[in-house]
Amino acid sequence: GQNIDQPTEMTATEGAIVQINCTYQTSGFNGLFWYQQHAGEAPTFLSYNVLDGLEEKGRFSSFLSRSKGYSYLLLKELQMKDSASYLCAGYGDSGAGSYQLTFGKGTKLSVIP
Amino acid sequence: DAGITQSPRHKVTETGTPVTLRCHQTENHRYMYWYRQDPGHGLRLIHYSYGVKDTDKGEVSDGYSVSRSKTEDFLLTLESATSSQTSVYFCAISELDRDGIPYEQYFGPGTRLTVT
Repeated sequence: GQNIDQPTEMTATEGAIVQINCTYQTSGFNGLFWYQQHAGEAPTFLSYNVLDGLEEKGRFSSFLSRSKGYSYLLLKELQMKDSASYLCAGYGDSGAGSYQLTFGKGTKLSVIP
Repeated sequence: DAGITQSPRHKVTETGTPVTLRCHQTENHRYMYWYRQDPGHGLRLIHYSYGVKDTDKGEVSDGYSVSRSKTEDFLLTLESATSSQTSVYFCAISELDRDGIPYEQYFGPGTRLTVT
């Protein structure tokens, strides 16, 4: 299966830009998801990258480099409500012939005034 | 929001008792998943289903069983609960496109299970 690594915690200022990085092993990899999870709530889908490059969705963008096993989530014009955990998840061969999502441990983002 | 519900939403049970958690969807999605989420571990896949009566194990399946007799329902059973199974359990659903590429997974609200 995938081995997903992302920073445990980050802090950023309201109105600023923050980049959350994610690295993964490339063997058996098919695509990469980003989810947002507020405390005590379910994860909600943010983005999905299959091809190299940048995908933009409003204030949120996600980038993928398949050759480097690297992705990042970019959040612009940070708002207090963006304080949440951000989960990176790789989709690929679990090693048993089935395809599954493997989640990183999540990055807890705190937005301060 | 995708139509996924989980029941119960909270449960406290004693070690050694059986527990069944239910996930119900109204989206007619083929794939359903059970995850557990623990501090320091993130979301980990327990079991998943790719159709009625078709299930497979995930990363942390020991001590858990599942059943899917209808498209809309996916049950997770702890045959004899242990304190290490205290966790938040999330159900998720998804579909694959014709090339086998997944669409996003939608998550249910979660069940907080405490085993004393």
